[in-house]
Amino acid sequence: QVQLVESGGGVVQPGRSLRLSCVASGFTFSSYAMHWVRQAPGKGLEWVAVISYDGSNQYYADSVKGRFTISRDNSKNTLYLQVNSLRVEDTALYYCARRLGVGYCSGGSCYPTDYWGQGTLVTVSS
Amino acid sequence: SVLTQPPSLSGAPGQRVTISCTGSSSNIGAGYDVHWYQQLPGTAPKLLIFANNNRPSGVPDRFSGSKSGTSASLAITGLQAEDEADFYCQSYDSSLSGAVFGGGTKLTVL
Repeated sequence: QVQLVESGGGVVQPGRSLRLSCVASGFTFSSYAMHWVRQAPGKGLEWVAVISYDGSNQYYADSVKGRFTISRDNSKNTLYLQVNSLRVEDTALYYCARRLGVGYCSGGSCYPTDYWGQGTLVTVSS
Repeated sequence: SVLTQPPSLSGAPGQRVTISCTGSSSNIGAGYDVHWYQQLPGTAPKLLIFANNNRPSGVPDRFSGSKSGTSASLAITGLQAEDEADFYCQSYDSSLSGAVFGGGTKLTVL
């Protein structure tokens, strides 16, 4: 069965960095584009970033562009999110999610997501 | 949010409810698909409807989606207590070059 397990969250001060990880199992990780989506406490969903199945393309929400970097290691079945220059407003539960469908995607075809992890909580506070 | 949903909705068991999702010419109106997610309390979102009106395996046919112009709707018939959840619509926005979500609708089963 498909499993996505996030880790790496924690409490950090504004301006600091974290690296979030998502270990995938139960499917051919290297065939799927992967996403990060976040949810601030008590708020709605916000798409963060997507990476192509082979890691060659990445796209970001404007709110994180230049500060966050999505990457993957297909040999380790692991997705990453490097989060730098953290702000209080980055406080959220960060989910990794698998794109519905294999192979290349572009624009709207990179959505939706059919499997989600349980999330890792990032709290930015001084 | 780029996509607009009613913040809350309620219905009695057995009733039919509809959740609207209104976008613009750069997302739903541009022809991009709309997807719907259900988030039960304390859990991760679950894909409920994809590509406007398609149900993933295992989703009851009480759930259906539609899209017209710059809007989309999720209909739930035969409302059940276990349907109480937050529902989100999602699409792609060409001006933002990324996914956009609605603000979410909290459904209460009376």
